[in-house]
Amino acid sequence: NAGVMQNPRHLVRRRGQEARLRCSPMKGHSHVYWYRQLPEEGLKFMVYLQKENIIDESGMPKERFSAEFPKEGPSILRIQQVVRGDSAAYFCASSQRPGQPNPTEAFFGQGTRLTVV
Amino acid sequence: DAKTTQPNSMESNEEEPVHLPCNHSTISGTDYIHWYRQLPSQGPEYVIHGLTSNVNNRMASLAIAEDRKSSTLILHRATLRDAAVYYCILYRMEYGNKLVFGAGTILRVKS
Repeated sequence: NAGVMQNPRHLVRRRGQEARLRCSPMKGHSHVYWYRQLPEEGLKFMVYLQKENIIDESGMPKERFSAEFPKEGPSILRIQQVVRGDSAAYFCASSQRPGQPNPTEAFFGQGTRLTVV
Repeated sequence: DAKTTQPNSMESNEEEPVHLPCNHSTISGTDYIHWYRQLPSQGPEYVIHGLTSNVNNRMASLAIAEDRKSSTLILHRATLRDAAVYYCILYRMEYGNKLVFGAGTILRVKS
């Protein structure tokens, strides 16, 4: 059973281009989370999705960022018109049963390191 | 967000036990205490979690104070591969199932 797969591992984009980050959750997991880690900072929650639904996007910037988790295929985090401040590591996590009473653990991918030049 | 307080950094010698403390004085009765760690250049990794009772698994032990306002992650024999940032997180349903990471504790292991 492969872990959470993210690709690409490294992505370089020029300012103004689009970045598409992909995340394939673990088999059997239908809950996906995206986090961003800016250089020398902590992990910040961005968005929580279940299949075809956005559950919580309270951490997503209001503009240029969007996420989806279609019925088939990986979850996609899309950043339009990237700026230098978007340079960061983006991590995806998946879980099987995130709610109470006994939440299961979240499994994280290796991340995509986005560099905007 | 329910707040946890951890030391910025700790240092340990290889092969010795490590006790990583976490204070969470505002914990509510239904909050789970989760620990994750992040090795350099990798994604976070689940370590252990508990509610009220002490917990053991193959990676570590979690000791939870009787009043639940603090907990301690115990690595029984630190190795160089345990050098990482350790995060103590309160898992609360009202957060919508997301993990809220703080700054964590940087653990350095000396050979």
